[in-house]
Amino acid sequence: EVQLLESGGGLVQPGGSLRLSCAASGFTFSTYAMSWVRQAPGKGLEWVSGISGSSDNTFYADSVKGRFTISRDNSKNTVYLQMNSLRGEDTAVYYCAKGLGWFDSWGQGTLITVSS
Amino acid sequence: EIVLTQSPGTLSLSPGERATLSCRASQSVSLSYLAWYQQKPGQAPRLLIYDAFSRAAGIPDRFSATQSGTDFTLTISSLEPEDFALYFCQHYGSSPPRLAFGGGTKVEIK
Repeated sequence: EVQLLESGGGLVQPGGSLRLSCAASGFTFSTYAMSWVRQAPGKGLEWVSGISGSSDNTFYADSVKGRFTISRDNSKNTVYLQMNSLRGEDTAVYYCAKGLGWFDSWGQGTLITVSS
Repeated sequence: EIVLTQSPGTLSLSPGERATLSCRASQSVSLSYLAWYQQKPGQAPRLLIYDAFSRAAGIPDRFSATQSGTDFTLTISSLEPEDFALYFCQHYGSSPPRLAFGGGTKVEIK
């Protein structure tokens, strides 16, 4: 059974930084691209970033480009999202999802609140 | 950049009724790279449909989907109580990836 478990969420001040982690199990992690998708309170879904299985390629939504960095450690079956220069509009539940196309597996999400 | 417009915003129906949800792409999409998800309050989305009309594993056959050009439709043939939820469409397959979600349709109990 595929499991994705996010951690690292919390309250951060505007301009601050946070790193999210997503621990994966139940599949051959290194052979799959991974993504982060977020959902602001009461709003729709927004794809944030994706990374290839080998880390050779990373992709970002325009809204986070230059501020967020996605990475992965295949030896730990973990994908990360380093978030810098956080803004109020980054407040959302952040989901880790398997793949970079359709997403057949999602984590339970971790809430990031950007507020002073 | 592809924009997906879902309609209606809210669909008020009774159990047993048929639900028809629409997702329109702003431009011709790559082949049939469209997915549908169901989301219930406090939960992560669940994949229902991928590649425009292929049902994901474990999804009941009352869920079906079609495509006509840039118009995509998700149909729930007979609503069960557990089907009342939020539904999103999603486009993928562009290069480089620019995944896009529609704004969602809420299916609520009438």
